[in-house]
Amino acid sequence: KAGVTQTPRYLIKTRGQQVTLSCSPISGHRSVSWYQQTPGQGLQFLFEYFSETQRNKGNFPGRFSGRQFSNSRSEMNVSTLELGDSALYLCASSSRMRAGPSTDTQYFGPGTRLTVL
Amino acid sequence: DAKTTQPPSMDCAEGRAANLPCNHSTISGNEYVYWYRQIHSQGPQYIIHGLKNNETNEMASLIITEDRKSSTLILPHATLRDTAVYYCIVRVVYNFNKFYFGSGTKLNVKP
Repeated sequence: KAGVTQTPRYLIKTRGQQVTLSCSPISGHRSVSWYQQTPGQGLQFLFEYFSETQRNKGNFPGRFSGRQFSNSRSEMNVSTLELGDSALYLCASSSRMRAGPSTDTQYFGPGTRLTVL
Repeated sequence: DAKTTQPPSMDCAEGRAANLPCNHSTISGNEYVYWYRQIHSQGPQYIIHGLKNNETNEMASLIITEDRKSSTLILPHATLRDTAVYYCIVRVVYNFNKFYFGSGTKLNVKP
């Protein structure tokens, strides 16, 4: 099976702009999670979507949002970009089959490197 | 949620076993231990996970102490390509897929 894909791989934006990142999960996976990785804060959980519904959210401002489509593909959006939003944004998918306890494994994509100038 | 403690860095000679420790003294009964690694600026790669029994797969072995307060990831024959940051994560099963990544251990495999 093809792995998790993320587009674009690299992106340069200026402060105040908005950006949309895309994630295609592994075929058959219905859960998609997003993470932000910065040198100072490390890997931090943003949110998870399962069956088109946001199930869990990390401690990020409302400028960070996401959605999931019926084919499980997901997008995340960051509005009014700030310099501190420069980071590697990672998407992970898992084969979770229900919205409850599960030990399914998350598989990560290569990430989108966002630079805000 | 349980936190993990890992040494910031370790060295290992190529061909030797790499033993990476992780402390998770506040782990609860329904929390699993997961290991991932991240090679520079790539997405984290899943290695192995376990609850209380030792686990082995083609990549590594996971040894969990009887009291579950610590674990060790073992790479039996480290190669230069194993140089990476290794993350030990305690995952709350009922909390969907919210993983807490700590600072990890930078493993340097040297020739």
